[in-house]
Amino acid sequence: EAGVVQSPRYKIIEKKQPVAFWCNPISGHNTLYWYRQNLGQGPELLIRYENEEAVDDSQLPKDRFSAERLKGVDSTLKIQPAELGDSAVYLCASSLVGSFGANVLTFGAGSRLTVL
Amino acid sequence: GIQVEQSPPDLILQEGANSTLRCNFSDSVNNLQWFHQNPWGQLINLFYIPSGTKQNGRLSATTVATERYSLLYISSSQTTDSGVYFCAVERTGSEKLVFGKGTKLTVNP
Repeated sequence: EAGVVQSPRYKIIEKKQPVAFWCNPISGHNTLYWYRQNLGQGPELLIRYENEEAVDDSQLPKDRFSAERLKGVDSTLKIQPAELGDSAVYLCASSLVGSFGANVLTFGAGSRLTVL
Repeated sequence: GIQVEQSPPDLILQEGANSTLRCNFSDSVNNLQWFHQNPWGQLINLFYIPSGTKQNGRLSATTVATERYSLLYISSSQTTDSGVYFCAVERTGSEKLVFGKGTKLTVNP
């Protein structure tokens, strides 16, 4: 079974430029998450989707960040324009709630963004 | 929101040693997971353990939900155990998994 696939793995851009990250979750997982991990910190949730509906986007900086999950499968996360403080690793995860209600997340390898 | 505190922040061991990592949380939870982030950044789920005890090879975990803490035990550590160990919890009634700051483990040969 393929895991969560993310691209690109690395991206270097100048500030004020746009950038987009793509995620393909595990087949059949209806819940998809985007997390941001700053250096030396734990991941922080940006947005959570259940199917194609964004059910928690309270931590997404909506002035410059946007996300979409068309057809409830793949998702993209966009930053426009990027700022120096956006340098971080952007992690995508997916999950399927099990028969006992367990919500176990599987993470992709992440996309490392450097803004110069 | 819920607070998650992990200790120690850093741990250095010689290969073969045992260790215990701790996670304290500030509210009742219905989901607790331990993750290992390897030096290449990949997060791997180790345990789903909102309560009780589980073992997987040299790793085991115990969560005492009533006292709001969880422990991760690593026995006979190997250099491949190096990385950062994260505890993540979901407060009862919430569907948001909140991560601690992690424990950075270095196992020297």
